[in-house]
Amino acid sequence: TQTVSQSDAHVTVFEGDSVELRCNYSYGGSIYLSWYIQHHGRGLQFLLKYYSGNPVVQGVNGFEAEFSKSDSSFHLRKASVHWSDSAVYFCAVSPITGNTRKLIFGLGTTLQVQP
Amino acid sequence: DPKIIQKPKYLVAVTGSEKILICEQYLGHNAMYWYRQSAKKPLEFMFSYSYQKLMDNQTASSRFQPQSSKKNHLDLQITALKPDDSATYFCASSQDTGSQNTLYFGAGTRLSVL
Repeated sequence: TQTVSQSDAHVTVFEGDSVELRCNYSYGGSIYLSWYIQHHGRGLQFLLKYYSGNPVVQGVNGFEAEFSKSDSSFHLRKASVHWSDSAVYFCAVSPITGNTRKLIFGLGTTLQVQP
Repeated sequence: DPKIIQKPKYLVAVTGSEKILICEQYLGHNAMYWYRQSAKKPLEFMFSYSYQKLMDNQTASSRFQPQSSKKNHLDLQITALKPDDSATYFCASSQDTGSQNTLYFGAGTRLSVL
């Protein structure tokens, strides 16, 4: 069974703070890992993805994520958040099997950035 | 301008009725998808299409039928609607169905079945 776990349903920080949103996955094969952001009332927007190579990947708007095979994790980080970063963040796993592009999502973490 | 257009944005239906959710993408992509986001549940993959052909169907019910009249269209017909069908339905697209391709999502259609 493939699962994606985002342990924090809600995270609240102040503008300028650093933040880490956690993602752990369970899957036995090769996968792509990605993060998406969903602002209220909008569709999901791609932030970044990882497949191989440098375990730290850079995304848009100062976000980065670090892959850890030993921890089965792909945590998202930002050094200094802005109020506009308030949104729901989804971690997703995409198994590399066959020719079907299917994302398996976590439940999401709502990030609230206070002024 | 949004590159993936979903219509309508909100939809209210009565139990037992039929509705069609519209999706058009203007990204020149060859693969399109439907996902569902229900309350308290993760986004759930429903269908994938490539060059207007069904590639994968993870929806148990035949009440959900994708329809692709053009390469950049993938509508979703839902028949015999039930209250449990209430959810936000997201259309997505990618260059093709290869695992490395990024998915781009529309803004969703929020369906409420009374």
